[in-house]
Amino acid sequence: NAGVTQTPKFRVLKTGQSMTLLCAQDMNHEYMYWYRQDPGMGLRLIHYSVGEGTTAKGEVPDGYNVSRLKKQNFLLGLESAAPSQTSVYFCASSSDPRAGYTFGSGTRLTVV
Amino acid sequence: AQKVTQAQTEISVVEKEDVTLDCVYETRDTTYYLFWYKQPPSGELVFLIRRNSFDEQNEISGRYSWNFQKSTSSFNFTITASQVVDSAVYFCALRTFGGSTLGRLYFGRGTQLTVWP
Repeated sequence: NAGVTQTPKFRVLKTGQSMTLLCAQDMNHEYMYWYRQDPGMGLRLIHYSVGEGTTAKGEVPDGYNVSRLKKQNFLLGLESAAPSQTSVYFCASSSDPRAGYTFGSGTRLTVV
Repeated sequence: AQKVTQAQTEISVVEKEDVTLDCVYETRDTTYYLFWYKQPPSGELVFLIRRNSFDEQNEISGRYSWNFQKSTSSFNFTITASQVVDSAVYFCALRTFGGSTLGRLYFGRGTQLTVWP
């Protein structure tokens, strides 16, 4: 039982490059979330999804796009990376709004 | 608006000391859930506890205990007889369901706990 799997685990990008972070869960969860973690800031919600084909903005959505074409996958895209997007990105999923999250192991992204 | 405040940025204790991590939350919702997560140096986020707004009973799990007080909007976490392996960042989080929040988690900024041998 893999839970929530994030790929890649580490990545270095040059400013202006694009990339996609993949989050996959095998628990049939409806709700999926992308957070970023920065020192002293806790975790901040970027985008989230309440089901296949639906996405919504969180508190820090600028510079990111997401897609949820399949229930088990939630993709986070950076179209033109900026140094301010250097962060650790966590994906999470849950079965319903009352449940706790299951987190992935994180992706450490550095934009130079 | 929902908000979680962890006023303690860093705490250092010596092994076997007791330590309490504070968490204060703000919400106008009457139904909500509170969580604590642990993030060890390896970086993963580990779920510790969930408490709903209708259950104010304190919870004890081994060396861990949680004190939920609605009157002061606090959900504090105590580690008894701390150990080096308890060194981690601890996050308190709030989950509400009103309006457009759709069950999202609001995190505090975390408390870095260091336990020295």
